[in-house]
Amino acid sequence: DTEVTQTPKHLVMGMTNKKSLKCEQHMGHRAMYWYKQKAKKPPELMFVYSYEKLSINESVPSRFSPECPNSSLLNLHLHALQPEDSALYLCASSQVYLEQANNEQFFGPGTRLTVL
Amino acid sequence: KQEVTQIPAALSVPEGENLVLNCSFTDSAIYNLQWFRQDPGKGLTSLLLIQSSQREQTSGRLNASLDKSSGRSTLYIAASQPGDSATYLCAVSTTSGTYKYIFGTGTRLKVLA
Repeated sequence: DTEVTQTPKHLVMGMTNKKSLKCEQHMGHRAMYWYKQKAKKPPELMFVYSYEKLSINESVPSRFSPECPNSSLLNLHLHALQPEDSALYLCASSQVYLEQANNEQFFGPGTRLTVL
Repeated sequence: KQEVTQIPAALSVPEGENLVLNCSFTDSAIYNLQWFRQDPGKGLTSLLLIQSSQREQTSGRLNASLDKSSGRSTLYIAASQPGDSATYLCAVSTTSGTYKYIFGTGTRLKVLA
């Protein structure tokens, strides 16, 4: 099973709302990633979790709060977002996250977020 | 700073043609390079992963090559089909600074029936 699942598929929220995105994989991968992708642009890395610990935060605003409750789950908590945060949010996983590793990343279908 | 460029930005070909997509990167110090396809509004599907020590990888009608010294990778698609229509992205994992993927700008491919 090489599937990464993401819920919800679509999300519309106001600037004062609090919502969460969910990502799940059952491949036994110990590295999980959040990416943000604007229309007609490549994905940009936001966060990396390795063995359930945050390894990289690419200077993401605090209104985005990641959480990795266990090795299979990754959440992204959203609060007080701005309209410019509207984008496709992609989750990915790979076997491990190591500087010397050659790891294939597997992506989920994404959550299309619209902030009104 | 690693920069990844894909040429052409868009490509339209008749069904059955063999075609080549290009990916160029500025820093040859990479761990690996991965090719993806993305359908409109969807996630990324992994096509091929080439490790830094490898020269090419093949999967079905796809063949990807890697020339680290010149900072280039090509994705060859044989006998293209309308179902191949998508955006193709390459991503390189850099060894400089933070280990992460840097994505190319993508090539939008349309295969006409």
